[in-house]
Amino acid sequence: DTEVTQTPKHLVMGMTNKKSLKCEQHMGHRAMYWYKQKAKKPPELMFVYSYEKLSINESVPSRFSPECPNSSLLNLHLHALQPEDSALYLCASSQEKGVLNSPLHFGNGTRLTVT
Amino acid sequence: DAKTTQPPSMDCAEGRAANLPCNHSTISGNEYVYWYRQIHSQGPQYIIHGLKNNETNEMASLIITEDRKSSTLILPHATLRDTAVYYCIVRVSYNFNKFYFGSGTKLNVKP
Repeated sequence: DTEVTQTPKHLVMGMTNKKSLKCEQHMGHRAMYWYKQKAKKPPELMFVYSYEKLSINESVPSRFSPECPNSSLLNLHLHALQPEDSALYLCASSQEKGVLNSPLHFGNGTRLTVT
Repeated sequence: DAKTTQPPSMDCAEGRAANLPCNHSTISGNEYVYWYRQIHSQGPQYIIHGLKNNETNEMASLIITEDRKSSTLILPHATLRDTAVYYCIVRVSYNFNKFYFGSGTKLNVKP
């Protein structure tokens, strides 16, 4: 079991669809992360929120739109995706800014397939 | 920005110790070394982290060399369930939220 919950576990969407991935944590963490992982590759950092503000965008295309409505929730809005965007999308959280000695806690991800 | 180097794969016999090496020769004085593992189709699982001293918890031990340029993760009695990809990560001090994964080591535990 993980303390970071991601929904849905699996998602299939067409290239014209709009969908959202959701992530929730109740550990009081104030930093939240989105990673993308292609098959047989390590996770790649996409976005980081710190205190509900976007602090890092790793030059991600605008068809991915993150949102942090409060300190416990993180969304990733998807629109006009391409088949190459099919991947495992991972959410993580950690303690607040400035804490190097703080592990990231990951969810089990959403497996996204774009058709 | 990955700052670590790991062998792509290793084998280990069940019940024996698994020693997974990691090189991080450019590590700075206040940067921590983290280890995670990822079992197929699951999220990365935190194992252990350390700064300069050796660390041990219920899952593993972390040995960091005195010059901090390399470390070894030790699973003392590997089981088949320890088969996974193991990632060594240096959490950079100039932007602590840039938590980058290296390429990892696929550990195969064999009966």
